Amino acid sequence: GAGVSQSPRYKVTKRGQDVALRCDPISGHVSLYWYRQALGQGPEFLTYFNYEAQQDKSGLPNDRFSAERPEGSISTLTIQRTEQRDSAMYRCASSPDGNSNQPQHFGDGTRLSIL
Amino acid sequence: AQSVTQLDSHVSVSEGTPVLLRCNYSSSYSPSLFWYVQHPNKGLQLLLKYTSAATLVKGINGFEAEFKKSETSFHLTKPSAHMSDAAEYFCVVSRYPGRRALTFGSGTRLQVQP
Repeated sequence: GAGVSQSPRYKVTKRGQDVALRCDPISGHVSLYWYRQALGQGPEFLTYFNYEAQQDKSGLPNDRFSAERPEGSISTLTIQRTEQRDSAMYRCASSPDGNSNQPQHFGDGTRLSIL
Repeated sequence: AQSVTQLDSHVSVSEGTPVLLRCNYSSSYSPSLFWYVQHPNKGLQLLLKYTSAATLVKGINGFEAEFKKSETSFHLTKPSAHMSDAAEYFCVVSRYPGRRALTFGSGTRLQVQP
């Protein structure tokens, strides 16, 4: 079966532009998570959804970052007015349900570079 | 708040020798603990998880980890390293009940010498 799919794999854009990163979770997975990973660091939590409901967005760094999952499947992470400090690997994960002892399955990530 | 500390940023071993990657956790509740591995330019793959059923947890590729509450540790071991084990390893904690977010350690880069 297909794993978590993220697109694009690489995104290079100029400072000030908006970007949208897409995540297609494993079919049937209820929970979807977004993380950001700086070079040489572990991933840091941004936000998560159960179905279409955003349950926790405490990790979003500021109001330029937003996420949605309107039909409870595909999710989009949007960064408005990008800044160089937004450059990082953005990772999406999904799990069968919201139980925190369920492992999260990660995609290969989107590497975002802001020029 | 839950957290994990990976005690070594880099570990180098020779092929065929044992591997020990150290992790200490801090959690107000009985934690769920995981080890994930990240190969270059790849996604994160789950190696094993601890969820209070048994203190010695066996994972994929011959790895195992032992949960020691008295030492608040969850060290990852493997009896004999293989070249393909070279990667970044993350110790991860999730608090239950409560936030579903995972908290990652800073990672340990494992180097395997021929």
